Amino acid sequence: NAGVTQTPKFRVLKTGQSMTLLCAQDMNHEYMYWYRQDPGMGLRLIHYSVGEGTTAKGEVPDGYNVSRLKKQNFLLGLESAAPSQTSVYFCASSRAGLNTEAFFGQGTRLTVV
Amino acid sequence: GNSVTQMEGPVTLSEEAFLTINCTYTATGYPSLFWYVQYPGEGLQLLLKATKADDKGSNKGFEATYRKETTSFHLEKGSVQVSDSAVYFCALKEQAGTALIFGKGTTLSVSS
Repeated sequence: NAGVTQTPKFRVLKTGQSMTLLCAQDMNHEYMYWYRQDPGMGLRLIHYSVGEGTTAKGEVPDGYNVSRLKKQNFLLGLESAAPSQTSVYFCASSRAGLNTEAFFGQGTRLTVV
Repeated sequence: GNSVTQMEGPVTLSEEAFLTINCTYTATGYPSLFWYVQYPGEGLQLLLKATKADDKGSNKGFEATYRKETTSFHLEKGSVQVSDSAVYFCALKEQAGTALIFGKGTTLSVSS
């Protein structure tokens, strides 16, 4: 029972490089989310998706793109990494609805030098 | 917009002490409220939730009551253990039912 799986777990990028973070869930959840966690800032929502083929911006979307081509996968892309994007990234998924809890992956620690 | 405010930490307690972590929220309508816990090196996991006014969520000795009149959802535990050391996040899900909005988190450190 894998739940939410994030790949990779760690990554170091040089400024200007691009990369894609992959999130996969096996719970058939409709909603998926990408958050970033920074010291003293809590979790801030980057983008989210309420279904296959749909995405929406969260609180801090600039510098990121996302795609949800399959229901079980949610990809987060950085086209040109900046040091300000050094963070721990968490993916989460949930069923649709107001009362449903979100299930989180283990996180990806990204350092941009 | 919707937001969650938590008391700033870190909170340092001795084992068996009483714990309160304050959480207040701003939201339109009637959000659902959650407490999540993050142990070192791990992702977040749900601790408890409440979905309407006066509901009390409870789990592992932790409790929180949804108070609409004071827009609060304070987390309490009567006797903390060393194993409770973690970061605790208060969160709300807005009435549209899409994204979870988190507070900044409160670090709890319990010593024996």
